[in-house]
Amino acid sequence: QSVLTQPPSVSGAPGQRVTISCTGSSSNIGAGYDVHWYQQLPGTAPKLLIYGNINRPSGVPDRFSGSKSGTSASLAITGLQAEDEADYYCQSHDSGLSAYVFGSGTKVTVL
Amino acid sequence: EVQLLESGGGLVQPGGSLRLSCAASGFTFSNYAMSWVRQAPGKGLEWVSAVSASGGGTFYADSVKGRYTISRDNSKSTLYVQMNSLRAEDTAIYYCAKGVKIQLWLHFDSWGQGALVTVSS
Repeated sequence: QSVLTQPPSVSGAPGQRVTISCTGSSSNIGAGYDVHWYQQLPGTAPKLLIYGNINRPSGVPDRFSGSKSGTSASLAITGLQAEDEADYYCQSHDSGLSAYVFGSGTKVTVL
Repeated sequence: EVQLLESGGGLVQPGGSLRLSCAASGFTFSNYAMSWVRQAPGKGLEWVSAVSASGGGTFYADSVKGRYTISRDNSKSTLYVQMNSLRAEDTAIYYCAKGVKIQLWLHFDSWGQGALVTVSS
């Protein structure tokens, strides 16, 4: 059971906007720790997509954006493309566990 | 270019041991915290263990505490994890992941390709 909760799946047509939520608690996201997002394409290692809640590493399209509020964070994908079909994971730090914590993962399907 | 190359995976019987290695290149290894993250077949990501840049601080998920030992050799730019008393539920792809600074608890900006560990009789 993951410490951070994500919806199992979201879907959208090409060009649409989808959002993925990541819900934590007062010992992780709510304690002020940053949220980061990773994209995992089928059969590959995860890749950093968003760090520090809102920042994109070099090379990540600006179609991807992150936000954080209270005990939750969100990843938005605008202008959905076929190559965005992947699993997406949020990650933060939990002070109570003294651990990195990941979300349960969300599969994005492009219809 | 940062490269992380895991090795040492394979098939091991329940109760057995295995040591994974992660050879790093393309950055000053001794300046970064490092972690192991695993992914069971068809499941999500699970952080396993982390080590500080100097190697003096080590941290473990409850699921592996007392069975796994993380270490690093900064002179060889290599990260290790010794896995003992292995269980079927330890079956997973194990990724080596690079932290972004000396301090822990931030994010991972580079990942290896993974090493498959299968625990089965």
